[in-house]
Amino acid sequence: AQKITQTQPGMFVQEKEAVTLDCTYDTSDQSYGLFWYKQPSSGEMIFLIYQGSYDEQNATEGRYSLNFQKARKSANLVISASQLGDSAMYFCAMREGERGKLIFGQGTELSVKP
Amino acid sequence: EAQVTQNPRYLITVTGKKLTVTCSQNMNHEYMSWYRQDPGLGLRQIYYSMNVEVTDKGDVPEGYKVSRKEKRNFPLILESPSPNQTSLYFCASKTPGPNTEAFFGQGTRLTVV
Repeated sequence: AQKITQTQPGMFVQEKEAVTLDCTYDTSDQSYGLFWYKQPSSGEMIFLIYQGSYDEQNATEGRYSLNFQKARKSANLVISASQLGDSAMYFCAMREGERGKLIFGQGTELSVKP
Repeated sequence: EAQVTQNPRYLITVTGKKLTVTCSQNMNHEYMSWYRQDPGLGLRQIYYSMNVEVTDKGDVPEGYKVSRKEKRNFPLILESPSPNQTSLYFCASKTPGPNTEAFFGQGTRLTVV
């Protein structure tokens, strides 16, 4: 069965520094997709970045980049130049099969300190 | 504005009183789903729908019903809510294709006492 693991329940980072949020996954599929979502204290789920299993380049979206290491089955999110507004819960998710179902990790709560 | 709208945002109810959480999307998405979020467990899928009149169980369907009579609407029905259904619920929709992101509603925080 597919599984997503986020081993960091909480993280602290100083404003303007970079931070890496860990995500490992387990799947026997050759084709899969990996997603990161941000959930601020207001509760909504905000899509950040996507990486396909066949993508050779690591995905980047502004200050977000995904460090994709296929052999190690990891898809870590890197946030550069952290801002106070980055304080939130972050979820890693994997698309299961062709139906589009997302399997989520437990989440990492990031706190950015001024 | 493209969006997924859930109502209500907050709901406190009593055990056994039937309730419906509505979900509507304006993006003409075929695929819609419901998730519940619980601390330490992330989000888990309750039900999903590939298209009108096509629904199927997710990972935690017990105690829930859904319907998909129109493409834009996908209500979640709790026939007889119990305290273990106290949770944060999300509706999501997406376009067909395995690699498109899901758009989430604002969430519904349900408390069953």
